[in-house]
Amino acid sequence: KQEVTQIPAALSVPEGENLVLNCSFTDSAIYNLQWFRQDPGKGLTSLLLIQSSQREQTSGRLNASLDKSSGRSTLYIAASQPGDSATYLCAVKSTGGFKTIFGAGTRLFVKA
Amino acid sequence: NAGVTQTPKFRVLKTGQSMTLLCAQDMNHEYMYWYRQDPGMGLRLIHYSVGEGTTAKGEVPDGYNVSRLKKQNFLLGLESAAPSQTSVYFCASSYNALTSGGVQETQYFGPGTRLLVL
Repeated sequence: KQEVTQIPAALSVPEGENLVLNCSFTDSAIYNLQWFRQDPGKGLTSLLLIQSSQREQTSGRLNASLDKSSGRSTLYIAASQPGDSATYLCAVKSTGGFKTIFGAGTRLFVKA
Repeated sequence: NAGVTQTPKFRVLKTGQSMTLLCAQDMNHEYMYWYRQDPGMGLRLIHYSVGEGTTAKGEVPDGYNVSRLKKQNFLLGLESAAPSQTSVYFCASSYNALTSGGVQETQYFGPGTRLLVL
């Protein structure tokens, strides 16, 4: 059974700092891995999607990497801004099905 | 293009009452999903649908029923609400896109429905 873990559960950094969010999964037979952003009281917004055949994806100040063999993904945020404050969720879709398993998320606070 | 919409936004029920949550998408997506989000547990899949007229169970289906009579709508029903069903419910839709990196599926989420069962 696939399990997805995100560490840390919460993170506070000063504005301008580069930071890394971590996601680990137990079953390497994945179809894709997706990073989402969730603002308080809102739905989820997709940030980056990495297919199982890919190693990383980039969008603006965001870079997500995938290492299937070690069961890990990281989300790198460069030059953090107060507007980046949100909860970031990692979601893994395993092969052979339609089910996506989510991590509990990392709550990020960027101080001005 | 409204994307994924959910009705209602907030609801309070008494134990034993029934209700239906409506999800609508205008992106012509084949796949639709219902999740619940509880503190510290991430999102868990309740039911999903791979096309009009089809539904399947997810991780936590007990106490819920769904229907997909029209491609754009996915309904989630609670027949007899229990306090354990207090949660935030999210609907999502997706489609498979063929790209240079292979088949990609991105899920698009609605804003959520907050349900409190007393």
